[in-house]
Amino acid sequence: AQSVAQPEDQVNVAEGNPLTVKCTYSVSGNPYLFWYVQYPNRGLQFLLKYITGDNLVKGSYGFEAEFNKSQTSFHLKKPSALVSDSALYFCAVRPNTNAGKSTFGDGTTLTVKP
Amino acid sequence: GAGVSQTPSNKVTEKGKYVELRCDPISGHTALYWYRQSLGQGPEFLIYFQGTGAADDSGLPNDRFFAVRPEGSVSTLKIQRTERGDSAVYLCASSPDGLAGVNEQFFGPGTRLTVL
Repeated sequence: AQSVAQPEDQVNVAEGNPLTVKCTYSVSGNPYLFWYVQYPNRGLQFLLKYITGDNLVKGSYGFEAEFNKSQTSFHLKKPSALVSDSALYFCAVRPNTNAGKSTFGDGTTLTVKP
Repeated sequence: GAGVSQTPSNKVTEKGKYVELRCDPISGHTALYWYRQSLGQGPEFLIYFQGTGAADDSGLPNDRFFAVRPEGSVSTLKIQRTERGDSAVYLCASSPDGLAGVNEQFFGPGTRLTVL
C-alpha cells in the first residue's frame, strides 16, 4: 500500500520569508512524486514533480522540492514567499510500477501574511 | 487550449437515486482518472483509464460505482442507489500518456454531489 503524510494542516509565514511545506511518503518500489496547488474555487494545478535524476527539482512560481530517499520525504520550498502563494497544497505519490494510481496527502493550507 | 471540463458543476439528488457525472478530458490525452474528494481531505483515487479500458479500478468503493469511456475520450462516472455518504466533490483528471506514469495530471473543476 502507498501513503502520503502532510503533517501540518496549516503553515503560516510572513511575506518575504522562506517557506517549507512538508511531505513524507510510503510506496513500494521507486516513487514518482508530485506537488499540486489548489486556489479557492479553482481546480488542482500541477507545480512540480520528481521522476528521476537530480534530487532538487524546480517548478512553477519559484517553487522547488527536494527528494530525500533515506527520509522518504519530498518537502516543498520557496526562498521568498508571496501573499499570492496562499493556497492549499497537495503532495502525491505513485509507484513506478503502477502508472495510474496516485495517492494524495490531505493537504496543507499555506497562509502568507503581508 | 481548453482544459478538462466536468458537468454538471453541482448535482443534488435524493438518497437511492441514480446519477451520472461527465468528464471531457483535454483533447489527445489518453489517460483519464477519477477521484473523490471529501471536505478536508485529499483526492481519493477511484479509477484510471488508458484509452477505452479501465486499467485500474481498485479505488471504486463498491459495485454501485461504475465508469465508462467508450470512445477513449469522454468518460462518465455512474453511481447507482446513491447514499448520503457518497456526497463529495468528484474530480476528473487527464494526462497525455499514463503508461509511463511520469506525466502530471490536469484536473477539472469537479462536480459537487450532494445526496439528501
